[in-house]
Amino acid sequence: IAGITQAPTSQILAAGRRMTLRCTQDMRHNAMYWYRQDLGLGLRLIHYSNTAGTTGKGEVPDGYSVSRANTDDFPLTLASAVPSQTSVYFCASSDPAANSNEQFFGPGTRLTVL
Amino acid sequence: GQNIDQPTEMTATEGAIVQINCTYQTSGFNGLFWYQQHAGEAPTFLSYNVLDGLEEKGRFSSFLSRSKGYSYLLLKELQMKDSASYLCAGMDSNYQLIWGAGTKLIIKP
Repeated sequence: IAGITQAPTSQILAAGRRMTLRCTQDMRHNAMYWYRQDLGLGLRLIHYSNTAGTTGKGEVPDGYSVSRANTDDFPLTLASAVPSQTSVYFCASSDPAANSNEQFFGPGTRLTVL
Repeated sequence: GQNIDQPTEMTATEGAIVQINCTYQTSGFNGLFWYQQHAGEAPTFLSYNVLDGLEEKGRFSSFLSRSKGYSYLLLKELQMKDSASYLCAGMDSNYQLIWGAGTKLIIKP
């Protein structure tokens, strides 16, 4: 693994189904993030984690949950998917101790909820 | 409220120079970022400004004026591969990024 990986790459899901998007990083970054990206809108933060064992809500957390059991993994769960959750989901990580505060992004998961 | 404004789309000619502007309002300020995003791909980091002035990195430069809440990204010697969306993001007092909707840059031969 180099950087951040996400799985699946894309998924079509029936409304009401439960879905977990996976995110794994090998950079030992403490901070991780989940964003959604919709046409015409900026990236919107769903949930974040500043360090393993802690999570926080972002701008659009409703309908999503996260966990951070260890440094590397940060899964995002949709408990009961709805069509408005159709989007491209990006996971990102950063090292808060770094001067640049740069966030590194995974390749994204394209999710369609029908 | 927090807000990032940037133009939706710009067109430029290969070999030319283009400036993409961004104005921001954030609760507190911990820096201004520019990312590049090619269609269907993830955003990739271009620049980070936390102090006023110009930061130059090869063909790309980024400028920040904190008093005006203003930044720009300058791209020189445009190449076809520079066709992409350019995302402006401000970091607030909680070290969270507030993102603009992105500027789609179209390069014509």
